[in-house]
Amino acid sequence: AQKITQTQPGMFVQEKEAVTLDCTYDTSDQSYGLFWYKQPSSGEMIFLIYQGSYDEQNATEGRYSLNFQKARKSANLVISASQLGDSAMYFCAMREPTYSGGGADGLTFGKGTHLIIQP
Amino acid sequence: EAQVTQNPRYLITVTGKKLTVTCSQNMNHEYMSWYRQDPGLGLRQIYYSMNVEVTDKGDVPEGYKVSRKEKRNFPLILESPSPNQTSLYFCASMGRATENSYNSPLHFGNGTRLTVT
Repeated sequence: AQKITQTQPGMFVQEKEAVTLDCTYDTSDQSYGLFWYKQPSSGEMIFLIYQGSYDEQNATEGRYSLNFQKARKSANLVISASQLGDSAMYFCAMREPTYSGGGADGLTFGKGTHLIIQP
Repeated sequence: EAQVTQNPRYLITVTGKKLTVTCSQNMNHEYMSWYRQDPGLGLRQIYYSMNVEVTDKGDVPEGYKVSRKEKRNFPLILESPSPNQTSLYFCASMGRATENSYNSPLHFGNGTRLTVT
């Protein structure tokens, strides 16, 4: 079974609209971390936002926020007021305790969502 | 500036010609890893290293070798490249997790686009 599921292979959104990118995860651990990365067409991987499993508040970083619903095991990325420069691939990832795998203290990635912002 | 540096950015080679992709980080991270990225398959881990002289296989290690003789360097070696190793490769490093906190993100290099003909 996949540990990270991103159900939206691609999305088209109008500029200035808010965007929600879905991510669900699978873990039996109580302690873990969730990350979102952006990959523009130039190829580099850019860290956007982090949410810890014990964090009571949803993480926010500028226009990015993470809608964390622990009981549902979802960690959706919300981008407010989308811009043309937000067009990119977005990856959700999870870090688990060493003994749980994921490359022994590494990150497990979803397959990504290709977001295209239209003017 | 904290960074992961991998070289080269682009590499075109022929089947069977040994090559090395270098990776270096300046953040004193113990953990380093190599990923390959292919369309529709996302990021797949090739090898990782928890510390100097400690390496282990990821999800797709066949056809690759790594070494970790120094903390900052983690080269990826393809002894006999084949066309199915044509891919975008990323080196990454990460700080240690503390108890109940995993907030150190994975820092990526800029990627190496490898083409094997």
